[in-house]
Amino acid sequence: ELKVEQNPLFLSMQEGKNYTIYCNYSTTSDRLYWYRQDPGKSLESLFVLLSNGAVKQEGRLMASLDTKARLSTLHITAAVHDLSATYFCAVTSRGSTLGRLYFGRGTQLTVWP
Amino acid sequence: SQTIHQWPATLVQPVGSPLSLECTVEGTSNPNLYWYRQAAGRGLQLLFYSVGIGQISSEVPQNLSASRPQDRQFILSSKKLLLSDSGFYLCAWSLWTVGIATNEKLFFGSGTQLSVL
Repeated sequence: ELKVEQNPLFLSMQEGKNYTIYCNYSTTSDRLYWYRQDPGKSLESLFVLLSNGAVKQEGRLMASLDTKARLSTLHITAAVHDLSATYFCAVTSRGSTLGRLYFGRGTQLTVWP
Repeated sequence: SQTIHQWPATLVQPVGSPLSLECTVEGTSNPNLYWYRQAAGRGLQLLFYSVGIGQISSEVPQNLSASRPQDRQFILSSKKLLLSDSGFYLCAWSLWTVGIATNEKLFFGSGTQLSVL
């Protein structure tokens, strides 16, 4: 079974600082997703990464994918309080025709003044 | 535009009672539908998925079941709830493209927080 590991699981950072969340997966995948979840809420799609070297940015968040290393990173630049949430990465198994996603446990991010 | 509705938002049920959670999708046809469960502090686990009316696949053996009576309706049920069924249940939909890597995504409903006491 495809396994997805995120680290750190908990991240507390000061506003204005930079940090990176890491997502490793165990077998070949052809799609990697980053989702955001606010407490008690549903999941909001942030990025879809399809190919090696893919980089996507929105606001203070930038996601990248290294398929050879089976690694994705979510980089936070100059964090602000509004970024406080839990961030999940998820991957599909290669050739999946059903949209079955394997999720990491999530990184709970708290940004403080 | 497409929307997904899931209800109820919160549910507290005694052990041994039945369960019915409902999900409907609007604005699309023949979507793939999914039920995921999120236990406290954990990632999401796929429970069931469906590629069409009456077609249900189960990922995890359990005392839950799913049904798809209509194209855009997905129901999660149980005859007798267990304490371990507590969690946050999310319905999702997608229009998956067979064999082609695209920007296709899973879109999630607002979730149901189930507490079994």
